[in-house]
Amino acid sequence: QVQLVESGGGVVQPGRSLRLSCAASGFPFSNYGMHWVRQAPGKALEWVAFIQYDGANTHYADSVRGRFTISRDNSKDTLHLQMNSLRAGDTAVYFCARDREPSRLDYWGQGTLVTVSS
Amino acid sequence: DIQMTQSPSSLSASVGDRITITCRTSQSISSFLNWYQQRPGRAPKLLIYATSSLPSGGPSRFSGSGSGTDFTLTISGLQPEDFATYYCQQSYIMPPTFGPGTKVDIK
Repeated sequence: QVQLVESGGGVVQPGRSLRLSCAASGFPFSNYGMHWVRQAPGKALEWVAFIQYDGANTHYADSVRGRFTISRDNSKDTLHLQMNSLRAGDTAVYFCARDREPSRLDYWGQGTLVTVSS
Repeated sequence: DIQMTQSPSSLSASVGDRITITCRTSQSISSFLNWYQQRPGRAPKLLIYATSSLPSGGPSRFSGSGSGTDFTLTISGLQPEDFATYYCQQSYIMPPTFGPGTKVDIK
């Protein structure tokens, strides 16, 4: 069965960096695009970033472009989100999700909490 | 970016009720509209895709309709596990955008 397991969340000071990972299993990871979506406490879902199945193309939300980088390692079935220059507004649960074209998110991980606070 | 609105923002209903949630987009998206269910403390789950298609194994009490800019999600015969927040999402163009959510709770 499809499984997505996020890791790497935690408490970090403003301006610092954090790297999230999403371990995929149960499907041919290298055949699927992948997304990151976040949810601030008590708020709605916010799409963050997308990477094509082969890593050739990426897209970002305006709120994170230039600070966050999505990447993948198809040899390890793993998705990453490198988050730099973190702000309080980045505090959220971060979910990874599998893409079924176009941009239908058919499987989600359980999420990892990122708290940006001094 | 395509803006999404949902109504109502919340509603109270009883087990067995039929409810309808509306989603509106700021421009036409053909049928590229998906619905997700999120129970408290859980990850979202794909409920309906391409306006009216059910994922394999999805309960038939959930249905969707619409096209262009106006869409609806209907739950016919609410079950206890259906009390959750529902989000619409357009997949017509990047970036994919979500509605603000509709919380369904027990009357």
